[in-house]
Amino acid sequence: EVQLQQSGPELRRPGSSVKLSCKASGYSITDYLMHWVKHRPEHGLEWIGWIDPEDGETKYAQKFQSKATLTADTSSNTAYMQLSSLTSEDTATYFCARDEGYRRFAYWGQGTLVTVSS
Amino acid sequence: DVVLTQTPPTSSATIGQSVSISCRSSQSLLDSDGNTYLYWYLQRPSQSPQLLIYLVSKLGSGVPNRFSGSGSGTDFTLKISGVEAEDLGVYYCVQGTHDPYTFGAGTKLELK
Repeated sequence: EVQLQQSGPELRRPGSSVKLSCKASGYSITDYLMHWVKHRPEHGLEWIGWIDPEDGETKYAQKFQSKATLTADTSSNTAYMQLSSLTSEDTATYFCARDEGYRRFAYWGQGTLVTVSS
Repeated sequence: DVVLTQTPPTSSATIGQSVSISCRSSQSLLDSDGNTYLYWYLQRPSQSPQLLIYLVSKLGSGVPNRFSGSGSGTDFTLKISGVEAEDLGVYYCVQGTHDPYTFGAGTKLELK
């Protein structure tokens, strides 16, 4: 069974950074792209980018180009997203989602709530 | 970026009623490879989104056949034929044809 287990909630100060994890089970992360999506209830869903864990290739939405860094550790079957220079605008739930061909997000993690507050 | 406009923003339905949600794109979603990368997702309260429909009309794995998708170009529709209680939540259309992926603002389905 495919599962994506995301790390727990984070509280950070403005200006700091945070690294979120998404541990995959039931398959090898090198077999599929991993996407990351941001959710703020009043702003809806936004696609951040994807990583190909097989070779580390990444693609970002332009607005997240300097905000997010996607990486993957094949030895632990885990994808990561680092968010830098945090502001209140980064307060959101972040999801990882596995691609399944045809650019669809077939499997989703449970989400990680990041709260940025002084 | 491609803008997806969903209507209505909120829909109230009784159990068993049929419901349609519209998604209109600011650009054609027909890709040069012949596919139309338009999807529908449902996010139930406090849950992750779930894939319902991909490539306009293909049913996701394990999705009941009361869900159906149709449309082409810039106009798309999700239909639920006989709403059940578990269908309540927010429905999003998403496009993957143009970079970046973009989401509609969502349609909240409530019980009347």
